Amino acid sequence: NAGVTQTPKFRILKIGQSMTLQCTQDMNHNYMYWYRQDPGMGLKLIYYSVGAGITDKGEVPNGYNVSRSTTEDFPLRLELAAPSQTSVYFCASRQHRVVYGYTFGSGTRLTVV
Amino acid sequence: AQTVTQSQPEMSVQEAETVTLSCTYDTSESDYYLFWYKQPPSRQMILVIRQEAYKQQNATENRFSVNFQKAAKSFSLKISDSQLGDAAMYFCAYSSDNAGGTSYGKLTFGQGTILTVHP
Repeated sequence: NAGVTQTPKFRILKIGQSMTLQCTQDMNHNYMYWYRQDPGMGLKLIYYSVGAGITDKGEVPNGYNVSRSTTEDFPLRLELAAPSQTSVYFCASRQHRVVYGYTFGSGTRLTVV
Repeated sequence: AQTVTQSQPEMSVQEAETVTLSCTYDTSESDYYLFWYKQPPSRQMILVIRQEAYKQQNATENRFSVNFQKAAKSFSLKISDSQLGDAAMYFCAYSSDNAGGTSYGKLTFGQGTILTVHP
């Protein structure tokens, strides 16, 4: 009963490097989301998916890419990391009905230097 | 676009006292949900309470209750008998339930309120 699992928990990247943040859920949720949280701020939506093979941009998608080949996995790709991407990244998923709420992963703290 | 505003960057309360955190939102939709999430230093996002917009009755979960004023677009969180473990960042969040809309199912967050509990 793992819920939403994110890896890694921490990462330091150099400017220009690339990496993939992994997100896996075992609840058979169709809806999955990637948010970023800048220091002292609320969460902002990067990308989301309504099911395998279907993804769409959120509020702040620039510099990121996603894919959804399975129901369980929703990785977030950072290409050419920039200091502005220093943030905490959260993956979340939910059931079909919004009322049941969202399950969040424990976050990935990313620092770009 | 929907917006959520938390006007109190920080709040403090004495242990066992009551504190109210404020939240206002802006939307043109009629079907939506409002949430309060707690984020302790561990970073985990924990759902505290939820409110369905079509329900007039305010939601309550143990020591946590809300004051939902739909016409005023206000959604405040009251924490009674505050405990040291309540210290955290609290986020107000909105989600549309309009399946035909562009905001359907996406959470929009406020900026957060840091709550300090003094012993």
